[in-house]
Amino acid sequence: DQQVKQNSPSLSVQEGRISILNCDYTNSMFDYFLWYKKYPAEGPTFLISISSIKDKNEDGRFTVFLNKSAKHLSLHIVPSQPGDSAVYFCAALFNNNDMRFGAGTRLTVKP
Amino acid sequence: DTGVSQDPRHKITKRGQNVTFRCDPISEHNRLYWYRQTLGQGPEFLTYFQNEAQLEKSRLLSDRFSAERPKGSFSTLEIQRTEQGDSAMYLCASSSPKTDTTTSGANVLTFGAGSRLTVL
Repeated sequence: DQQVKQNSPSLSVQEGRISILNCDYTNSMFDYFLWYKKYPAEGPTFLISISSIKDKNEDGRFTVFLNKSAKHLSLHIVPSQPGDSAVYFCAALFNNNDMRFGAGTRLTVKP
Repeated sequence: DTGVSQDPRHKITKRGQNVTFRCDPISEHNRLYWYRQTLGQGPEFLTYFQNEAQLEKSRLLSDRFSAERPKGSFSTLEIQRTEQGDSAMYLCASSSPKTDTTTSGANVLTFGAGSRLTVL
């Protein structure tokens, strides 16, 4: 059951510009949302998270926005850097333990 | 501690053979998870341990899949009578029950690099 969806398999942006990665979910009972980044031959690495009671969380160049009414979240990366090129997974936690992932979006940041 | 370790990193086997993967979690983490990831998809939850207790196994893909964590430290995932459809990346993750403001209170999983299974 695809409770977490990332509808864009890929995104390409120019270095220095903003990258916006989107994610939709169907289960209103999720209590946390997370973004993971994955480089080839490595496991996913935690990037940033947000509680379902918040609408924004910021950490340096990374900001996650949550729109509960639309069941939508997004990750903004500003400014984008070539080292940000990776696959980004949106994930949602149920009971703060059951983690469901989207299919991922491959971000390419061009120099 | 160097993080979550998985072994082997890559396993090639013939259909019908049994395979076993090992995961060593971060030492202070009491929760351990197994996920499977196929090409173009996100990780899919398989099973979960808290210490040595397997608290969720209903999402193991079939009765050919089993996992153990006998002493609450390392874990093994075994696939019996492998099929070509079992070819995937098997990811292990661990987490601590302690959460903090840096994670917004979320139970953040730390993943290993995975064990890639190829069934011929």
